[in-house]
Amino acid sequence: DQQVKQNSPSLSVQEGRISILNCDYTNSMFDYFLWYKKYPAEGPTFLISISSIKDKNEDGRFTVFLNKSAKHLSLHIVPSQPGDSAVYFCADWVYNQGGKLIFGQGTELSVKP
Amino acid sequence: GAGVSQSPSNKVTEKGKDVELRCDPISGHTALYWYRQSLGQGLEFLIYFQGNSAPDKSGLPSDRFSAERTGGSVSTLTIQRTQQEDSAVYLCASSQRDRGNQPQHFGDGTRLSIL
Repeated sequence: DQQVKQNSPSLSVQEGRISILNCDYTNSMFDYFLWYKKYPAEGPTFLISISSIKDKNEDGRFTVFLNKSAKHLSLHIVPSQPGDSAVYFCADWVYNQGGKLIFGQGTELSVKP
Repeated sequence: GAGVSQSPSNKVTEKGKDVELRCDPISGHTALYWYRQSLGQGLEFLIYFQGNSAPDKSGLPSDRFSAERTGGSVSTLTIQRTQQEDSAVYLCASSQRDRGNQPQHFGDGTRLSIL
């Protein structure tokens, strides 16, 4: 039974600095990992993904790193902006588990001006 | 609009009543998913559709929960004899195909409150 864990419920950073959000997983099969951002009273918005055959994917200010040996991924946001303040979820899509995503519990990021 | 649309946005009902939640996916998306988020929790998978069929219903918490999708488009999630523990935000998502490289796009959810 695969699990996804985000062990930090909250993170506070200063505007302009780097935000690093972490996620651990248990599955060992071929996966995609996705990061979503969620504002209150809105649905999650897709940010960036990475295939388990890669170790890095970059899109503008957002970079995701995958360490397969440690079963760990991280999302880097640089430079952080106040508008980045939201809850961030990592999610695991496993190829032999149909279409479902397994989500972590989320990390609330607060970027202070 | 171009995104996933869910209705109603809020629903308050008494324990024991039945409720129906509706999802209109993005046009052309063949895969449709239902999740729920209880207070302080992550998103919990309920069921997904590929076209009109549901290959995975493993997340439905009890036989009080059912879902259907007709015409490969609109889906309805029905909860019968609601209980207080059913209170949550129910989120619908769609994707072009049920593949990991096809991100799921979410609606804003239905906030269900059972009194």
